[in-house]
Amino acid sequence: GNSVTQMEGPVTLSEEAFLTINCTYTATGYPSLFWYVQYPGEGLQLLLKATKADDKGSNKGFEATYRKETTSFHLEKGSVQVSDSAVYFCALGVGGKLIFGQGTTLQVKP
Amino acid sequence: DARVTQTPRHKVTEMGQEVTMRCQPILGHNTVFWYRQTMMQGLELLAYFRNRAPLDDSGMPKDRFSAEMPDATLATLKIQPSEPRDSAVYFCASGHGTSKSIETQYFGPGTRLLVL
Repeated sequence: GNSVTQMEGPVTLSEEAFLTINCTYTATGYPSLFWYVQYPGEGLQLLLKATKADDKGSNKGFEATYRKETTSFHLEKGSVQVSDSAVYFCALGVGGKLIFGQGTTLQVKP
Repeated sequence: DARVTQTPRHKVTEMGQEVTMRCQPILGHNTVFWYRQTMMQGLELLAYFRNRAPLDDSGMPKDRFSAEMPDATLATLKIQPSEPRDSAVYFCASGHGTSKSIETQYFGPGTRLLVL
């Protein structure tokens, strides 16, 4: 079936550190892939997306590349800030809906 | 800047009472989703509609939950009777979709429900 697996959190980093949050998926067909971010007390917001293999989504310094050969869509940022502290969700778009991973909490300390 | 709106933002009620949550999707979006978020279960899809028709409500407890879309500008989620285990944040989201694909979903701010 269709599913998404994210690395477990929380991930704790110091400001300006490099971030990677792993996401792998299982899907039939050619899904779209998404990263959403949820700040405390708010709803989810789209961070970036990719619609086909080898596409790279990017926004606010975050990047993720749709890798069909490894069925992955890892989220990266070169230098995190305290304001990046949030919960990050990887999602698979298939069959007219999104399937979300369990979320990874990122804490960035000054 | 078009947004999904949800009311109420917060709701405290007693066990056994009826709870109705409302969502106004972004104008022009044809697909509306209801999610529930808890610490234990994470984000769960409860139900969704396309062009106002219910497509899937398998994530909802059927005996007490109901979801409707009386018109294109309003979606409702009702719990009757409510129970303490229903305490959660309920999110509505909308987007453009077909049976095969979904574009970006836009989430509302959520309704934080506490059932005592």
